[in-house]
Amino acid sequence: EVQLLESGGGLVQPGGSLRLSCAASGFTLRSYAMSWVRQAPGRGLEWVSGISSRGLNTYYADSVKGRFTISRDNSNDTLYLQMNSLRAEDAALYYCVKGADSWNIDFFDYWGQGTLLTVSS
Amino acid sequence: EIVLTQSPGTLSLSPGERATLSCRASQSVGSSYLAWYQQKPGLAPRLLIYGAFSRATGIPDRFSGSGSGTDFTLTISRLEPEDFAVYYCQQYGWSPFTFGLGTKLEIK
Repeated sequence: EVQLLESGGGLVQPGGSLRLSCAASGFTLRSYAMSWVRQAPGRGLEWVSGISSRGLNTYYADSVKGRFTISRDNSNDTLYLQMNSLRAEDAALYYCVKGADSWNIDFFDYWGQGTLLTVSS
Repeated sequence: EIVLTQSPGTLSLSPGERATLSCRASQSVGSSYLAWYQQKPGLAPRLLIYGAFSRATGIPDRFSGSGSGTDFTLTISRLEPEDFAVYYCQQYGWSPFTFGLGTKLEIK
């Protein structure tokens, strides 16, 4: 059974940093592209960032480019999102999502339950 | 950035009725690189349709997708009580891989 378990969310002050993690199991992480998708309370879905299966290609939404960094450790079956210079508008539930392809970001066939980021002073 | 416009914003129907949800892209999303997701309150989204018309594993055949280029449709042939939820379309043809704002399907 595919499982994606996010962690690392919490309360951070504006301008602060945080790193999210996603532990993957039930499939071979190194074979699939992965992404982060966020959802602010009561709002819709926003794709944040994606990474190809071996980490050679990374992609970012304009809203986070230059502030967030996606990475992965395939040997430990873990996906990361390093978030710097956090803003109030980054507050959201962050989902780790599995792509259906190895190279392209593609559609998302499995979702974690999310980890909540709150940005407030 | 490709903007996806979903309509209607809210759709009020009764169980047993047919639901038709629209997703229009601001430019072509390529070779039908369009997916649909269902989200129920407090839960993560679930993949319904990919490639514009292919049903994901375990999705009932009352769900169907159609369209290409810039105009796409999700149809639920006969609504079941568990189908009332929010539906999102997503394009994965071009980065950034955008979502629509969603259509809320509510019980009339």
